Amino acid sequence: NAGVTQTPKFQVLKTGQSMTLQCAQDMNHEYMSWYRQDPGMGLRLIHYSVGAGITDQGEVPNGYNVSRSTTEDFPLRLLSAAPSQTSVYFCASKRGKALNTEAFFGQGTRLTVV
Amino acid sequence: KQEVTQIPAALSVPEGENLVLNCSFTDSAIYNLQWFRQDPGKGLTSLLLIQSSQREQTSGRLNASLDKSSGRSTLYIAASQPGDSATYLCAVSGGSSNTGKLIFGQGTTLQVKP
Repeated sequence: NAGVTQTPKFQVLKTGQSMTLQCAQDMNHEYMSWYRQDPGMGLRLIHYSVGAGITDQGEVPNGYNVSRSTTEDFPLRLLSAAPSQTSVYFCASKRGKALNTEAFFGQGTRLTVV
Repeated sequence: KQEVTQIPAALSVPEGENLVLNCSFTDSAIYNLQWFRQDPGKGLTSLLLIQSSQREQTSGRLNASLDKSSGRSTLYIAASQPGDSATYLCAVSGGSSNTGKLIFGQGTTLQVKP
């Protein structure tokens, strides 16, 4: 069971560079989401999707873009990286409409922007 | 706005002790509450999910309770082992939001000494 798979595990970017964090799940979950985890701030929702072709903003969306062309994949794009985006990023998925179902998380991507 | 608090922030116990981790939330209109374990540098592993209509859930040495009316949940760990050392996070889904978003506490870091 692969579950939720995130790549890469580690990444160092220079300020202004762009990159895409990959997330894939093999559980046929409709709901996928991205969180960032920062010391003292906990986990905060960046973007989420309730199904292919549908995305919406979370709590801290600025500087990030997402798309959902398939049920399995939910990539997170940083268009112009900033030091404030140094964080650990987690992708999560849930079955169905996600209001009361269990969340499953990937292993995270540790991003440093210098 | 939903807020989740976990007390204590850190806990150190000798092996074999039974212990209780606390989680409180301000908005009782939740769909469910989920307990996670996070090992250093790793992702979040789901431990237990309690639906709003349930009072408790058990898995092995773990028992989670939910008192929605008072906004509290506890995670009871029986006969603790050094392998239980990790950060434990609670998260609620629901409240005024219907986005499937999880609101996390800051976590309790547990150390079980041999």
